[in-house]
Amino acid sequence: SQQGEEDPQALSIQEGENATMNCSYKTSINNLQWYRQNSGRGLVHLILIRSNEREKHSGRLRVTLDTSKKSSSLLITASRAADTASYFCATDARSGGSNYKLTFGKGTLLTVNP
Amino acid sequence: DTGVSQDPRHKITKRGQNVTFRCDPISEHNRLYWYRQTLGQGPEFLTYFQNEAQLEKSRLLSDRFSAERPKGSFSTLEIQRTEQGDSAMYLCASSPRPTGANVLTFGAGSRLTVL
Repeated sequence: SQQGEEDPQALSIQEGENATMNCSYKTSINNLQWYRQNSGRGLVHLILIRSNEREKHSGRLRVTLDTSKKSSSLLITASRAADTASYFCATDARSGGSNYKLTFGKGTLLTVNP
Repeated sequence: DTGVSQDPRHKITKRGQNVTFRCDPISEHNRLYWYRQTLGQGPEFLTYFQNEAQLEKSRLLSDRFSAERPKGSFSTLEIQRTEQGDSAMYLCASSPRPTGANVLTFGAGSRLTVL
């Protein structure tokens, strides 16, 4: 079963605009990660936010986490055509002290038009 | 080290045939994962190894699926008597024993098409 649900399923913007994607999850977590996947390729880790953090930045990426609402958002600022990809949130459930398994959402397909 | 390698990248087979995928993780990573991804969906967990021990198998992994990781290095995922519903991207990922969060490094995937 998939823990996270990304919203929107698809997003199309112009180069230079900001893109915001949201993720909701169901169970308590240790941390939440965002991954990117170019078409037909594997996933690449972008950023991680721990359950005791509320916001984190990395370059043009900004992630927020609201554990009370069980939701996270990923903001990509000043988007570029090369940012076109699918973006997935992934959580490791706080289950029995084990954090080995990541559960992924269905993803948001971002298209950045030049 | 060139990251996680998967082979073959693409496999087309007829229904009923057996297929095997290989994954070579990052050498110092002791954790290895197999995920399956269908079009428009996120990766779904199949199984997990810590060194050579297979510690969890998803209920998605029917009896036709078997995974091994001999000597805790490379891993193979075999699908016997393939069905059209097995068509998907099979992703391998590895991670080191975490001191904190578990960040996965994925391979490029092996795409299976069952005719």
